[in-house]
Parts: sequence; C-alpha cells; structure tokens
Amino acid sequence: ELKVEQNPLFLSMQEGKNYTIYCNYSTTSDRLYWYRQDPGKSLESLFVLLSNGAVKQEGRLMASLDTKARLSTLHITAAVHDLSATYFCAVDIRGSQGNLIFGKGTKLSVKP
Amino acid sequence: DTEVTQTPKHLVMGMTNKKSLKCEQHMGHRAMYWYKQKAKKPPELMFVYSYEKLSINESVPSRFSPECPNSSLLNLHLHALQPEDSALYLCASSPAPYNSYNEQFFGPGTRLTVL
Repeated sequence: ELKVEQNPLFLSMQEGKNYTIYCNYSTTSDRLYWYRQDPGKSLESLFVLLSNGAVKQEGRLMASLDTKARLSTLHITAAVHDLSATYFCAVDIRGSQGNLIFGKGTKLSVKP
Repeated sequence: DTEVTQTPKHLVMGMTNKKSLKCEQHMGHRAMYWYKQKAKKPPELMFVYSYEKLSINESVPSRFSPECPNSSLLNLHLHALQPEDSALYLCASSPAPYNSYNEQFFGPGTRLTVL
C-alpha cells in the first residue's frame, strides 16, 4: 500500500525566513505533485515532478524530487504572507489509472 | 477554456432528498475524478472515469452514484445521505491516466451539508 507522509503538518514562519516541507512516500513512484489549497477553496496545481533529480521553481517556491530516497521537498525562500495556505504533496504509480495518494498536508502560516 | 467548473457551489439537503452535483471541463481531458474532502484532511478519491467508463470505485457507499454522460461532463447523484457525508466534494480532470504524467486540475468544489 502506497503511503505518503508530509512533515511538518503545521508550520508557522516569519516573513523573510526560509523553510522546507518534506514529503516521503513508501513505494516506487516516478510522479509527484505539489498542490496548494487556500481555506475553503479548491486545490491549485503548483508543480509536477516526473524524474529523479527534477527541480522546478516558481517565485519563492522550489520543488525537488529524489526517487531513490523516495523524497520530495518544497523549499520556501523569503516567505511572504501570501504564501499562507495548506500544501499537499501527492503521488501516483504509473498505470494506477490515476489514483493520487495525498499526504496529510502542511498548513503554512506566514506572520509579519 | 482551461478550467473545471462545478455546480452548485453550496448544497444543503435532508437525509431523504435526492440531489446531483455537476462537473464540466472543456480541456479535452479523458479522465475525470470525484474526491471527498473533510475539514483539515486531504482529498480522498471516490471515483475515476477513464474514457467515459468507470475505472475506479473506492468502495464508496451506493448512496453516491456517479455518471459520465460524455467526455466533458461528470455527475454525482446523491440519495439518502447521512450527516457524516457533509464535506467538500471536488471534481478533477486530467489528460488521461495513462499519459506520462497525470496532473489533475481541480474544480472549485461543492460544499455539501446534510441535515
């Protein structure tokens, strides 16, 4: 059974600081996704990571994937209040007919 | 058109009611999904339609009945729900589940309250 673990589950940061969210998964997969969810809203796709060593950056967020360690990271640089949201990683297995397994989510709060 | 739309945005229903949720996409995607999300929890997959055929049913109670009339439209028919079924119901679509990747695009959701 594929399990996806995120940590931390809660993260309170000050503006301007850097931090990293970790996503571990339990079985072989070569496709990992990061989503953002604002309170009461839907999920917004942030990154799709498809291969070992993949690194993608968008603004203050950078995501990476290490398939050998079964680990993805979401790094936040110089956080701003607008980044406050819940971040989910999700994994699927090729040929699984699209069954995404989500981590529990990391609730990020960026304070001035 | 690059979005997934869902109606209604909010729905309040009694346990004896019958209602339907609707989801639509015009991106040419051939896979569509229903998820249920309880507060402060991740989304949980309910159903997957692949090329208009039901390919995954994650042991969902029969009071939830999905329907895919065509490649752009996905419905979720609700009947005799329980208060614990109150949740945010999310629809998503992706190009096709067998592609090299399966980025799913989510609709805004329907907030369902069962009284």
